[in-house]
Amino acid sequence: GQSLEQPSEVTAVEGAIVQINCTYQTSGFYGLSWYQQHDGGAPTFLSYNGLDGLEETGRFSSFLSRSDSYGYLLLQELQMKDSASYFCAVRDYNFNKFYFGSGTKLNVKP
Amino acid sequence: GAVVSQHPSRVICKSGTSVKIECRSLDFQATTMFWYRQFPKQSLMLMATSNEGSKATYEQGVEKDKFLINHASLTLSTLTVTSAHPEDSSFYICSARDQRGISYEQYFGPGTRLTVT
Repeated sequence: GQSLEQPSEVTAVEGAIVQINCTYQTSGFYGLSWYQQHDGGAPTFLSYNGLDGLEETGRFSSFLSRSDSYGYLLLQELQMKDSASYFCAVRDYNFNKFYFGSGTKLNVKP
Repeated sequence: GAVVSQHPSRVICKSGTSVKIECRSLDFQATTMFWYRQFPKQSLMLMATSNEGSKATYEQGVEKDKFLINHASLTLSTLTVTSAHPEDSSFYICSARDQRGISYEQYFGPGTRLTVT
């Protein structure tokens, strides 16, 4: 089976940097994705790590350590519009499916 | 590009009736679509994987006779909630993978809010 853990809520101020951690346990691991979801909306893809290391996409970066079963999403220069829920999701090795973490609600304050 | 639509966006039905939700990839072909369920302020729970032209693969604990999935074409998958009960009330979201795209990317529909009274 799969098990993913994320902090339930994080609060930060505009312009700051925030890191959202994700630890996972899975029977078959192929990669880790990150998604953003605003209230009532659909998840949108942010980043994917198939290999260890850091992936950078603009203000967002994602890191993976397969040996530690750990990853994080780093958001820089926070903006009010970044207030949303962020989910990590493991890509299952055998069936190419995705299993989502419990989500982290990010509150950005002025 | 890579737009996925769902219909309806909201539906209210009476207990015991069936509801069909459509998921369409508008500008790409999707051999694989996924159906998720999300309770308020909770995670997305994968219900099933829908493959065009074959039977859906259901996750453990998901009743295949209650949640009927049909993937009849490369752009359309449907989820039918049969004999709905109030506990089936939830947010149902589909996603689709572009058969010519990057394998780890999936595009989500806007979701369908189901309320069973």
